[in-house]
Amino acid sequence: AQSVTQLGSHVSVSEGALVLLRCNYSSSVPPYLFWYVQYPNQGLQLLLKYTTGATLVKGINGFEAEFKKSETSFHLTKPSAHMSDAAEYFCAVIPSGGNKLVFGAGTILRVKS
Amino acid sequence: DVKVTQSSRYLVKRTGEKVFLECVQDMDHENMFWYRQDPGLGLRLIYFSYDVKMKEKGDIPEGYSVSREKKERFSLILESASTNQTSMYLCASRVAGASTNEQFFGPGTRLTVL
Repeated sequence: AQSVTQLGSHVSVSEGALVLLRCNYSSSVPPYLFWYVQYPNQGLQLLLKYTTGATLVKGINGFEAEFKKSETSFHLTKPSAHMSDAAEYFCAVIPSGGNKLVFGAGTILRVKS
Repeated sequence: DVKVTQSSRYLVKRTGEKVFLECVQDMDHENMFWYRQDPGLGLRLIYFSYDVKMKEKGDIPEGYSVSREKKERFSLILESASTNQTSMYLCASRVAGASTNEQFFGPGTRLTVL
C-alpha cells in the first residue's frame, strides 16, 4: 500500500530563516501529491498540489514544493519563515489509479522570534 | 466563502453511548469524507460518500457507521463509544469529478470518551 513519510515530527526555525519540510512517498508510479496546513484549532487548508506538468509548484503564503521522481520526494519550502507560519503541515498523496487521499503523520513547524 | 461546519467543537461522552457527529457543507459538493486525526498518525479515512445515500468504507471503518440522507449533510455514528475512539474527527467535502479536486475541511470535533 502507498505510504507517505514525513521526516521530523517537529521542526523549529527562526523567523526569516528557510523552511524545509520533507516528504517522501513509497510508490514506484508517481502519485498525485499535496501539502495541507492546519493552523491551531482549525481544519486543514490546501497549500499546493502536483498533478502533472511543471515539477516546481507554487502555493499560497509563499510556499512551494518540487516533485522529484528520482528521489520519490515532494519537499515543501519557504525562503523566509514568518511567525504566522507556525502550524502543522501534512503531506498527502492520491495513489496512481486511486481516488482517496493518504496522509503522512504531519510535521509541526515552530517559528522562533 | 466555502464552508464546512461540524456540530460540536468539543464533545465528552461515556463508554457505551451512541454518538452522532454531524457535518454540513454549503458548497453543493457531491463527495464527503470523515477522517480521524491522531498525533503521530496523521489523518485516516473512516468513511466517504460519493453522493446522497452512497457510502463506502475507508481504511478504519470498524466501530463506525455513516448516514447521508441529504446532499449537504454527512453524519458519523459511533454505535457504542469506546475509549479508543477518543480522537479529533474531521469532515471534508469535495466537488465530484477529478480525484485531485481540493477537499475542504471543517474545524473538527474533539471527542473524549470516558
